[in-house]
Amino acid sequence: DGGITQSPKYLFRKEGQNVTLSCEQNLNHDAMYWYRQDPGQGLRLIYYSQIVNDFQKGDIAEGYSVSREKKESFPLTVTSAQKNPTAFYLCASKLGTNTEAFFGQGTRLTVV
Amino acid sequence: AQKVTQAQTEISVVEKEDVTLDCVYETRDTTYYLFWYKQPPSGELVFLIRRNSFDEQNEISGRYSWNFQKSTSSFNFTITASQVVDSAVYFCALSRSPSGTYKYIFGTGTRLKVLA
Repeated sequence: DGGITQSPKYLFRKEGQNVTLSCEQNLNHDAMYWYRQDPGQGLRLIYYSQIVNDFQKGDIAEGYSVSREKKESFPLTVTSAQKNPTAFYLCASKLGTNTEAFFGQGTRLTVV
Repeated sequence: AQKVTQAQTEISVVEKEDVTLDCVYETRDTTYYLFWYKQPPSGELVFLIRRNSFDEQNEISGRYSWNFQKSTSSFNFTITASQVVDSAVYFCALSRSPSGTYKYIFGTGTRLKVLA
C-alpha cells in the first residue's frame, strides 16, 4: 500500500542533543513538507522540498535542518539550537500544487 | 503574503446540531487552491475537500458541505446533524498556483467537540 511513514512515533531528547526524525513516502510525490504542531498554534511550516537536492525554509526553520537526497525520503534534524523542540511533528507529501497532501502519523518529540 | 485565519478556536455542540467552521484566507494569486482536513485524536490529518479559485460552486458530500465565496475570501465548512465521531480538529489550508511555489499554509485549526 502506498503511503507516508514517520518514525519513531515517540522520541525523547536530552538537552543539547541533536535528533533526526524520519519521513519516507512511496507515493512518488515530488513535494515533501515538515510541520510543527503546538497546542493552539495549528501547523507551522518548518521546511519543504519540491524536488530532490532542493529545499526551502518555511516560517520557523531556525534550529532545524533537512536533506532531500532521495525522492522518497525527507529527514528532519532537530538541532541543539532549537530552544523549545517539544512538539508534535508532521511530515507530508504532495504530487503537485493543486493536489491534496498526504500526512504521516506524526512524531511526538519531548525534551527531557 | 499568504495567510489562513480560523478565528474559532473551539466549538462545542450537542449531537444532531448543525455547525459551521469558518475559514478566511489572504493571497495575491489569482489561481490558488483551498483545502479542508480533519485531525482526529490519533493525530494524522485526513483530507476532506479541495477547491480551486475558479470554482465557486458549493459542494455537498453527505453531511458535509462547503461554501466558497471569493468576494469575502472565505471557504466555510458546515457539518449537518453532527455526530460524536465528528469531534476532531479541523484545518483549512491554502496552496498557490501551479506556477508558484509548493508552499502550503494552514490555519490554526478549530477544535470541534460534539457532545452526546
